[in-house]
Amino acid sequence: EVQLVESGGGLVQPGGSLGLSCVGSGFTFRSYWMSWVRQAPGKGLEWVAYIKEDGSEKYYVDSVKGRFTMSRDNAKNSLDLQMNSLRAEDTAVYYCARYTSWGNDAFDIWGQGTMVTVSS
Amino acid sequence: DIQMTQSPSSLSASVGDRVTITCRASQTISNYLNWYQQKPGKAPKLLIYVVSKLQSGVPSRFSGSGSGTDFTLTISSLHPEDFATYYCQQSYDKPFTFGPGTKVDIK
Repeated sequence: EVQLVESGGGLVQPGGSLGLSCVGSGFTFRSYWMSWVRQAPGKGLEWVAYIKEDGSEKYYVDSVKGRFTMSRDNAKNSLDLQMNSLRAEDTAVYYCARYTSWGNDAFDIWGQGTMVTVSS
Repeated sequence: DIQMTQSPSSLSASVGDRVTITCRASQTISNYLNWYQQKPGKAPKLLIYVVSKLQSGVPSRFSGSGSGTDFTLTISSLHPEDFATYYCQQSYDKPFTFGPGTKVDIK
C-alpha cells in the first residue's frame, strides 16, 4: 500500500522550534518530489515547501523562508521539516504530500497530517 | 504569486443534483489545474489533475474542464459521500497555490 506517515507535531511556544518527519512506503520514494502542505484550523490549504527527488532543489513559500528547512533521506524514505522561530500563525495541521511531476503535476498521495500548535 | 478564487464558497444540494464549482486563476496557468476533495478531519484527496484527467479510483460522475484562467469541476449526480470541501490548485508556478475551497453540504 502506498502511504505517507507524519510524526513530530505538538505544542510549542512562540519563537520555539519543532521538527516534523514523514516516512513513505509502497513506492520508490527517491523518484518523487515531496512537499509539505499545511491547514490552519478551520482554514484552507497552504503549500509550504517542496524538495526535488535528490534534494538538490528546494522551494519555500515566502512566509516560512529563512525559518523552515526541508530535507530528505532517500535511504530511509524519509522527509523532514525543521521549523524554527515559530509564530502563532504557523499553527496548523501539516501534511506530507507526494508530488508527481510527470504528467500529473499534482499532489497525489497525502499523509494523515500532524498538528502543530504554537502558543504560550 | 498566482491567486486562485473559487465560487461559490459554499452550496447546499441534494442527492442526485448536478453540482458545478468554478475556479479562476489570476493569470493564465495553461492546463496546470488540479481538484481535491477533503472531508472533515481527513487529508485531501486528489480527484482530477491537469484540468480533466480523473485520478485512479475516482468515480466518473466527477469531471473537470476549462483552460487558461477559468476552470470548472462538475459532479453530475451528487452521492451522499460527495458532501465535502473541494479545492482547486495550480501547479503552473511556485508557490503552488490553492483556492479557498467550496463546501458542499446537504440541503
